[in-house]
Amino acid sequence: AQKITQTQPGMFVQEKEAVTLDCTYDTSDQSYGLFWYKQPSSGEMIFLIYQGSYDEQNATEGRYSLNFQKARKSANLVISASQLGDSAMYFCAMRELGAGNNRKLIWGLGTSLAVNP
Amino acid sequence: GAVVSQHPSWVICKSGTSVKIECRSLDFQATTMFWYRQFPKQSLMLMATSNEGSKATYEQGVEKDKFLINHASLTLSTLTVTSAHPEDSSFYICSVRQGLGYTFGSGTRLTVV
Repeated sequence: AQKITQTQPGMFVQEKEAVTLDCTYDTSDQSYGLFWYKQPSSGEMIFLIYQGSYDEQNATEGRYSLNFQKARKSANLVISASQLGDSAMYFCAMRELGAGNNRKLIWGLGTSLAVNP
Repeated sequence: GAVVSQHPSWVICKSGTSVKIECRSLDFQATTMFWYRQFPKQSLMLMATSNEGSKATYEQGVEKDKFLINHASLTLSTLTVTSAHPEDSSFYICSVRQGLGYTFGSGTRLTVV
């Protein structure tokens, strides 16, 4: 069965430093997609970055990069130069197997990141 | 990506009443919308997948008569919490799939008193 594991319930980082949030996944499919979302205290889910299983290069979006290690089934999020506004919950998710629009996201439990001034 | 509008952002209702939450896809025709529930400090829990013009597909353990979903058009899906009770108090959030990505509404914080 597909599964997403985030082993860090909470993380602290000093402002302007980099931080890595861990995510491992389990799937038997060869084609899949991995997502990271940020959820601030307001509750909205903000898309950060996407990595397709066939993408040869690690995805990057501004200060966010995804350290994709396919053989180890890990998709860690790296946030560089942390800012106070980065304090939030971060969720890793994987697109479910199958075809069509009904493909659901499988979610991890999330990591709460606190950026210290 | 798609722009998704969700209303209301918060609602307080009395126990026994029903509450309707709207999820609108403003710039994209969404044949499929997803409804989630989230308890404090927990992950998102998928409640149901809403398909335009047909019945929603509910996840195991979600009462379809309690959480009524209507997806009558390509831009609007509604979730009605019927005969709400305090244990229904939660954060409800909808999502639209567009291409490879998923866009979320801003969520609705429901408090039943």
